[in-house]
Amino acid sequence: DAGITQSPRHKVTETGTPVTLRCHQTENHRYMYWYRQDPGHGLRLIHYSYGVKDTDKGEVSDGYSVSRSKTEDFLLTLESATSSQTSVYFCAISAAGELFFGEGSRLTVL
Amino acid sequence: AQSVSQHNHHVILSEAASLELGCNYSYGGTVNLFWYVQYPGQHLQLLLKYFSGDPLVKGIKGFEAEFIKSKFSFNLRKPSVQWSDTAEYFCAVNAGSGSARQLTFGSGTQLTVLP
Repeated sequence: DAGITQSPRHKVTETGTPVTLRCHQTENHRYMYWYRQDPGHGLRLIHYSYGVKDTDKGEVSDGYSVSRSKTEDFLLTLESATSSQTSVYFCAISAAGELFFGEGSRLTVL
Repeated sequence: AQSVSQHNHHVILSEAASLELGCNYSYGGTVNLFWYVQYPGQHLQLLLKYFSGDPLVKGIKGFEAEFIKSKFSFNLRKPSVQWSDTAEYFCAVNAGSGSARQLTFGSGTQLTVLP
């Protein structure tokens, strides 16, 4: 158990509304990641962070922003949700070259 | 850019059958290789990994994988599957820097084991 919790675990929202997903870790890991999982695509990296206030874009960053004001929290924000952002979002931390994942947040955008 | 191919999208086996899931990658340099498993409704968990050394890697729950550099492959195997192995399996590769931000996942293989 890498001490990663995500919230909310499930959310249904409407197109155009803002959404924030939270990832919280308890073990002071430097690197944190947000992925989305979609059928036929595996996992794709949205954004990652390599320290407080240090973030960078991943493969599918359009329409997403992130923030990391504390080591333990990494927030993913959809400023204006679209139906194409319906997905399962996983937060992860890396340690010893491996990724450890949170339980996932299922987001449905109607 | 590196890419990962998992050619089998859905595999259906009976209990006790042998399993081999294919994974091929495109990157000419040093790679780190992973297999993750995702049981229904759960998050991804590491099955096994290869960084260097013996190309035959043993993981948890009786799984193993063989790195064949000349074939750019890292196939997952299990001699005898169980119903509880029903899950989705993801191969992942990152380039020699070892940075997780360069980790590329395959599209996954859904394994269904019939009792």
